Amino acid sequence: DIQMTQSPSSLSASVGDRVTITCRASQIISNYLNWYQQKPGKAPKLLIYAASSLQSGVPSRFSGSGSGTDFTLTISSLQPEDSATYYCQQSYSTPLTFGGGTKVEIK
Amino acid sequence: QVQLQESGPGLVKPSETLSLTCSVSGGSISSYYWSWIRQPAGKGLEWIGRIYTSGSTNYNPSLKSRVTMSVDTSKNQFSLKLRSVTAADTAVYYCARETSFFYFYYMDVWGKGTTVTVSS
Repeated sequence: DIQMTQSPSSLSASVGDRVTITCRASQIISNYLNWYQQKPGKAPKLLIYAASSLQSGVPSRFSGSGSGTDFTLTISSLQPEDSATYYCQQSYSTPLTFGGGTKVEIK
Repeated sequence: QVQLQESGPGLVKPSETLSLTCSVSGGSISSYYWSWIRQPAGKGLEWIGRIYTSGSTNYNPSLKSRVTMSVDTSKNQFSLKLRSVTAADTAVYYCARETSFFYFYYMDVWGKGTTVTVSS
């Protein structure tokens, strides 16, 4: 199985801050990497697919980058509604696997 | 737009079989992969497996011996059966659609999730 490791596991930032979340795969996955946002009591929501493609309807302050084993999700200007847990997920091979999640809180 | 709705018992006894169905509305079930994912309370996401509308399946090896997935295209539904459940199978269970962009697959539509508790 491909292990996905996210860091940090949690962070606290102010509105307007630039926030970066990192995801590392245990082997090369090219850019078969997706990012999801999950708010409490809700299903995950797709933000980014293929490492850097923004899902339709997702605000442009979200962006993704990386290839190979190292990936980042960036929120360019943190908004109150961005308080959530973020997960990366590899789609390179089955079993599909998720990172452990990064909880983003607003100061 | 496409919506997914999970249904099934919220309480299952240990050693019995967990059975869930995901109903697809607002679009066709054909030509997609359909996945099941679960999330224990306060924990992360675990992919259980997926089924294509042809009936082809991929299961997580950690659960493969206990999992069966099926699809009913006439009803626009797909299902999950998990046998011999224990308390460790207590979780919120989600169904999701996998869409592809060239060779890139991603889960773009999710059900709201259903809580399943394993307890006697």
